[in-house]
Amino acid sequence: SYELTQPPSVSVSPGQTARITCSGDALPKQYAYWYQQKPGQAPVLVIYKDSERPSGIPERFSGSSSGTTVTLTISGVQAEDEADYYCQSADSSGPVFGGGTKLTVL
Amino acid sequence: EVQLVESGGGLVQPGGSLRLSCAASGFTFSSYWMSWVRQAPGKGLEWVANIKQDGSEKYYVDSVKGRFTISRDNAKNSLYLQMNSLRAEDTAVYYCARTVGATTYYFDYWGQGTLVTVSS
Repeated sequence: SYELTQPPSVSVSPGQTARITCSGDALPKQYAYWYQQKPGQAPVLVIYKDSERPSGIPERFSGSSSGTTVTLTISGVQAEDEADYYCQSADSSGPVFGGGTKLTVL
Repeated sequence: EVQLVESGGGLVQPGGSLRLSCAASGFTFSSYWMSWVRQAPGKGLEWVANIKQDGSEKYYVDSVKGRFTISRDNAKNSLYLQMNSLRAEDTAVYYCARTVGATTYYFDYWGQGTLVTVSS
């Protein structure tokens, strides 16, 4: 079955830039989406169609795509950005999520 | 304001059944695909099932095919998940999610989830 691969964890200091990658063979052909999930809360969509930002999501969140890898970039990381981040795409069987990346703000 | 409120979770024995409900408000429910997504304790997200606006198309992850049934009632702005033959591995928080797209699906609004625990 189709898999999306994310690093288990990423750590950055406040004010730095965090980059979270997601790799998958179908990503050149399918859009990717990113969700933020804080402890005990539901996921929130932060990026759709590789690089589009929903209304209400801060401008420091951005997305990009290159070949089989998509990247979520958080510029000027704040303490409130500490969360789990999941990428999502789809194959013929339906939506697929990456394993998630825990972002720690040091 | 889009709101999705799940209910119906609880403790059930292996082999048992449970019906989850999701009450939607703040948008035209009948215009959207809808989905269930689950998250086992301490684990990642897993798409479970989705259903087309008029209920004419339904899709499931392989692990629940033949056991779970997704349905909707557009007159009541409600989404349902009938879960039968439950297994320990079905233990998870189940989220109702508004779904965008007919070929590439994504989830733009989520409920707060309802916990299903399958244990004897």
